[in-house]
Amino acid sequence: DAMVIQNPRYQVTQFGKPVTLSCSQTLNHNVMYWYQQKSSQAPKLLFHYYDKDFNNEADTPDNFQSRRPNTSFCFLDIRSPGLGDAAMYLCATSSPDRGNGEQYFGPGTRLTVT
Amino acid sequence: GQQLNQSPQSMFIQEGEDVSMNCTSSSIFNTWLWYKQDPGEGPVLLIALYKAGELTSNGRLTAQFGTTRKDSFLNISASIPSDVGIYFCAGRSSGTYKYIFGTGTRLKVLA
Repeated sequence: DAMVIQNPRYQVTQFGKPVTLSCSQTLNHNVMYWYQQKSSQAPKLLFHYYDKDFNNEADTPDNFQSRRPNTSFCFLDIRSPGLGDAAMYLCATSSPDRGNGEQYFGPGTRLTVT
Repeated sequence: GQQLNQSPQSMFIQEGEDVSMNCTSSSIFNTWLWYKQDPGEGPVLLIALYKAGELTSNGRLTAQFGTTRKDSFLNISASIPSDVGIYFCAGRSSGTYKYIFGTGTRLKVLA
């Protein structure tokens, strides 16, 4: 089945130690998103890619970076995690240009910062 | 960032009851999505709406795209215990690839 895959599902890192979260998709969607979600709040958009074009949200800290080496994969890099970065990180994909506005999420990666 | 007004914020209902929730926006949207999220999981897409006035069903779930294009509604009929979770709406305007999320409705079903 076509899907959005996130690895790992659970990640523990130390304060200040860089960490990378991974996302892959088999939907062949051209838009990929990274969201941060805390305590059952609404997902908060960090940035998104339209193909290789990177779009950062104005309030996303510089500590958060992303890479999209190809259509299928997207990475979230947190350069120096702080305690406040502990959250669920969600990857999502969509292809609005195809006339289909559906956005699909992966299962998420729960990040713990010690 | 911008969020949609979603209500109610939470609700307790008896098994077998019908549930209604809604989302309102100050902006016009051309896409409305409804999601359900279980603890520790990503949101799962339930229904997608693309036209004003559109009514779409998915099993016991029915959602409507408001005629003003600024609101949407989700109804769950004959609720069961596995309907427990958080329901989010999300809207997208034309000319953008970003989705604005509602604040969520936490549903608890009493058996």
